Amino acid sequence: ETGVTQSPTHLIKTRGQQVTLRCSSQSGHNTVSWYQQALGQGPQFIFQYYREEENGRGNFPPRFSGLQFPNYSSELNVNALELDDSALYLCASSTTGATDTQYFGPGTRLTVL
Amino acid sequence: GESVGLHLPTLSVQEGDNSIINCAYSNSASDYFIWYKQESGKGPQFIIDIRSNMDKRQGQRVTVLLNKTVKHLSLQIAATQPGDSAVYFCAETANDYKLSFGAGTTVTVRA
Repeated sequence: ETGVTQSPTHLIKTRGQQVTLRCSSQSGHNTVSWYQQALGQGPQFIFQYYREEENGRGNFPPRFSGLQFPNYSSELNVNALELDDSALYLCASSTTGATDTQYFGPGTRLTVL
Repeated sequence: GESVGLHLPTLSVQEGDNSIINCAYSNSASDYFIWYKQESGKGPQFIIDIRSNMDKRQGQRVTVLLNKTVKHLSLQIAATQPGDSAVYFCAETANDYKLSFGAGTTVTVRA
């Protein structure tokens, strides 16, 4: 186990609703990255947070937003949910640096009806 | 990473045999590569990594080979066990903040 935890494990929402997913990073890690993994595909990068600031963003619309807290835990918020947002949402923590190994949590399975 | 040419989406291997999983990456600027294993219902688990200044790295029962000339990465698993059944992803990064993942290879170990 990596020490990265995510909550909740599963979540069911309806189209148009908003959702908040949470992630606690591994001890000693100050960087959190979020990924979306659709069924049968590889994870796609959403964004990364380092020292409470967004450090980079993938090709996701602004309704995907995030926060990082002083204890390096993080939240992913998605507004105006769409059916295609149904996926496994993964967070990964790492130490400072772009090429430090990212260790993943178990993910949150989001289903949008 | 992306899956072209040598990549096979599924691999069936006899228990005890060696497995070879291939991955072609797209970005010639990538300088750090990682193999992850993902079991059903779980997040990706780090297996082994390699930086672009190396062409081979060995771990416990696993070896990663990097060929920068043809932008190809492979993972070799020795003496494959039933617990090795999973989806394997290669990931690359070009010294920036994100990992780019390939499509994944599903490995099934036959008893």
